Amino acid sequence: AQSVTQPDIHITVSEGASLELRCNYSYGATPYLFWYVQSPGQGLQLLLKYFSGDTLVQGIKGFEAEFKRSQSSFNLRKPSVHWSDAAEYFCAVGITTNFGNEKLTFGTGTRLTIIP
Amino acid sequence: DARVTQTPRHKVTEMGQEVTMRCQPILGHNTVFWYRQTMMQGLELLAYFRNRAPLDDSGMPKDRFSAEMPDATLATLKIQPSEPRDSAVYFCASGATGEQYFGPGTRLTVT
Repeated sequence: AQSVTQPDIHITVSEGASLELRCNYSYGATPYLFWYVQSPGQGLQLLLKYFSGDTLVQGIKGFEAEFKRSQSSFNLRKPSVHWSDAAEYFCAVGITTNFGNEKLTFGTGTRLTIIP
Repeated sequence: DARVTQTPRHKVTEMGQEVTMRCQPILGHNTVFWYRQTMMQGLELLAYFRNRAPLDDSGMPKDRFSAEMPDATLATLKIQPSEPRDSAVYFCASGATGEQYFGPGTRLTVT
């Protein structure tokens, strides 16, 4: 069965510092990978996605992620974080069903705190 | 700016009462999902529809939960009777090409 692991429950980063959030997945076929961000009291917002092609994908808000098949990883990065990046971040793998690539399995999330 | 809308945003009810949550998917999206989020279980997929037909509701407690799409602009999730363990945030999401776009959620508290 498919699974997503986000090994870091909570990360604290200084404003202006670089950020890397880890995500490892387990899935037998070609994965479709996503990063979502959730601010307190809000729904999940899609940051970026990997379907195929270039393994380095760019997203919104200055985020990028790199797909590494050999490591089963899809880590999220940002060169310089802003206080507004404080939120919960979820990695997800899309599962191919008989009806298409639809079902998502989410990781448990990483809470990001930004300190001045 | 197309968005998924959900009503109500907050609901407090007593155990045993019926709860109905509504979702308006993004126009043109043919797939609608219902998720539940709790601190203990994280995000759980309850059910999803494609072209208004239910494809998978294996994540739902069948005895008390039901999900329907009366038309392409409305999805409903109903709990009857509600229990305190149903307290959670319920999200609706819609999509068309593998991506999913989430609504703001309904925060349900069952006392």
